[in-house]
Amino acid sequence: QKEVEQDPGPLSVPEGAIVSLNCTYSNSAFQYFMWYRQYSRKGPELLMYTYSSGNKEDGRFTAQVDKSSKYISLFIRDSQPSDSATYLCAMREPEGAQKLVFGQGTRLTINP
Amino acid sequence: SAVISQKPSRDICQRGTSLTIQCQVDSQVTMMFWYRQQPGQSLTLIATANQGSEATYESGFVIDKFPISRPNLTFSTLTVSNMSPEDSSIYLCSVANGGSYIEAFFGQGTRLTVV
Repeated sequence: QKEVEQDPGPLSVPEGAIVSLNCTYSNSAFQYFMWYRQYSRKGPELLMYTYSSGNKEDGRFTAQVDKSSKYISLFIRDSQPSDSATYLCAMREPEGAQKLVFGQGTRLTINP
Repeated sequence: SAVISQKPSRDICQRGTSLTIQCQVDSQVTMMFWYRQQPGQSLTLIATANQGSEATYESGFVIDKFPISRPNLTFSTLTVSNMSPEDSSIYLCSVANGGSYIEAFFGQGTRLTVV
């Protein structure tokens, strides 16, 4: 079993839709939860991160962490064609452990 | 933020040969990381490179196959040795933002095809 599981998609939705991206994980020691966005032929870039459980909102993006279920989500509201990219979840154990563990990435297409 | 330049951006290589990938950062960083991203797969950490010490390799990756150099705080190289088609992948260099590896910055990657 992989430490982090993410549905690779692809996921295709119309412009303006609400998008839900999800990851599950098995390592209960993970405390930092991150979402990266990767455009074609580019390196990943950090969208947002959450420490431990709870929600975090940044504009049209909301990240949720449910540690009891070992489940994290990224919601995109009012999706735009420019949101079309691969979204990768990543996780990290607490201070001192520098290793990021990534999900497979979900390829998302927003259709105008 | 850190700006990372990787060279080459892509290459097609013959099996049995080696390729060295360069990673240049616009600021001094303590730790640099090398990842592999295979088609449809997650980013997998190959090794962590600290300046002035041997790289630390993850399970499944060995120094003979992926030797790494880290001559200073802004530069690192990863060599893919004795390549086979299974080494075809995207290789990414990454650095941490400050002392906490949460916001990782990535180069644009090197797309390697082994024929």
